[in-house]
Amino acid sequence: DAMVIQNPRYQVTQFGKPVTLSCSQTLNHNVMYWYQQKSSQAPKLLFHYYDKDFNNEADTPDNFQSRRPNTSFCFLDIRSPGLGDAAMYLCATSRVVLDRGPPDTQYFGPGTRLTVL
Amino acid sequence: AQKVTQAQTEISVVEKEDVTLDCVYETRDTTYYLFWYKQPPSGELVFLIRRNSFDEQNEISGRYSWNFQKSTSSFNFTITASQVVDSAVYFCALSVLRGDDKIIFGKGTRLHILP
Repeated sequence: DAMVIQNPRYQVTQFGKPVTLSCSQTLNHNVMYWYQQKSSQAPKLLFHYYDKDFNNEADTPDNFQSRRPNTSFCFLDIRSPGLGDAAMYLCATSRVVLDRGPPDTQYFGPGTRLTVL
Repeated sequence: AQKVTQAQTEISVVEKEDVTLDCVYETRDTTYYLFWYKQPPSGELVFLIRRNSFDEQNEISGRYSWNFQKSTSSFNFTITASQVVDSAVYFCALSVLRGDDKIIFGKGTRLHILP
């Protein structure tokens, strides 16, 4: 089945220790997103890739970086995790058929729950 | 600016009751898309429905139905004969045809179905 996969599902890191979360997709979608979701809140968009074009949200801290080496994979790097970065991190994909045309539905992965000790 | 309001933070109903989750949106765009997602305790956001602004026809899928009313800028979601497995957080969301590839989520409604 075509899907969005996130690894690991649970990640524990230490304060200040870099961590990388991964997302892969078999949907062949050209747009990939990273969201941060804290308890009882809506997902908050961190950034997204439209093909290879990186689009950062204005309020995303510099501590968060992303890489998309190919269509299928996208990584979220947290350079120096703080206690406030503990959250669920959701990856999503969508397909934009026309050049910057209407966005299609976003399909989400199962998420990675990050704990910072 | 776009905005999605889900006024109901939390709802509890007894199993088999019907329940409606409200969603009110704001946008000046004439072309837009509305979504509902379900987030069970496992955490994954599950897509339920997508509606574009030109299609006001209501939709029914099994026990789920959606009522889209442009006149009141609402896109409400009804679960008929609720079941315990319907317990989850439900998010309403909006995207517009402006090429920024983003959707705006409401704050979500936590639904408890009591056995």
